[in-house]
Amino acid sequence: SQQGEEDPQALSIQEGENATMNCSYKTSINNLQWYRQNSGRGLVHLILIRSNEREKHSGRLRVTLDTSKKSSSLLITASRAADTASYFCATDAWAGGTSYGKLTFGQGTILTVHP
Amino acid sequence: ETGVTQTPRHLVMGMTNKKSLKCEQHLGHNAMYWYKQSAKKPLELMFVYSLEERVENNSVPSRFSPECPNSSHLFLHLHTLQPEDSALYLCASSQDDGYNYGYTFGSGTRLTVV
Repeated sequence: SQQGEEDPQALSIQEGENATMNCSYKTSINNLQWYRQNSGRGLVHLILIRSNEREKHSGRLRVTLDTSKKSSSLLITASRAADTASYFCATDAWAGGTSYGKLTFGQGTILTVHP
Repeated sequence: ETGVTQTPRHLVMGMTNKKSLKCEQHLGHNAMYWYKQSAKKPLELMFVYSLEERVENNSVPSRFSPECPNSSHLFLHLHTLQPEDSALYLCASSQDDGYNYGYTFGSGTRLTVV
C-alpha cells in the first residue's frame, strides 16, 4: 500500500480563498515533502519539513506536520488561478547508512482555482 | 528550466522497437532517479542511482534497462514494451549527503506504446 495518501482527491475553490490539502502516511519518516505538478509536466518541489519540525512557511504556503498522527497539511493562502495543479506529498523514509533518499509519493490532490 | 533535461518530450514506439530515454542534470547532484507516472496511480519509483551505482531496482521488468555512465547522465533503454507501459516517465536528481534536500524533476517523456 502507498505511503502517502492525500485528501481530498479533488478540490475546487474560487480565487482568493484558501486551499487545504491533507496527507497521511504509515511508517516513520525523516522528512515529508510537497510537490506541485502542472498538467502533464514534471513535479516542482515546494517545501520540505523534517520530522522534528511542526510547521514551516514559504510565501503563501504553510505546511504542518504531526508525527504522532502521521499526517501533514498544506495550506495555500489567497489562492490564484495559477495555483491550479496537482499537489503531491512525498515521504522520505531514508534510514541512515545509505547515501540517498527515496521518496514515496501519494496519488495527489487536484486543485482547481476558478478566476 | 529546472536544471534537469529529459529528451525526447514525446515518444511513440511499436512493441518491437528499441528506444532510449535520456536525462541530463546540470546541478552537480549525486543521485538520479527514474519514476513512472500512469493515470490514476501514484508515482512509481523504478531505479535509483547513487554516485553512479545502481542502488535500487523496484522489481522493474527487464524490458526496461537503466544506464548511468556518469553523475550527470541517466538513460532508460526500452525494448519490446507492452501497451501498459505507456506512461509519463520522469527523471529526477538530488544531492544526498545523508540528508534529503528534495528532488529536482525533469519535464518528463510521454511514452505511448502502440
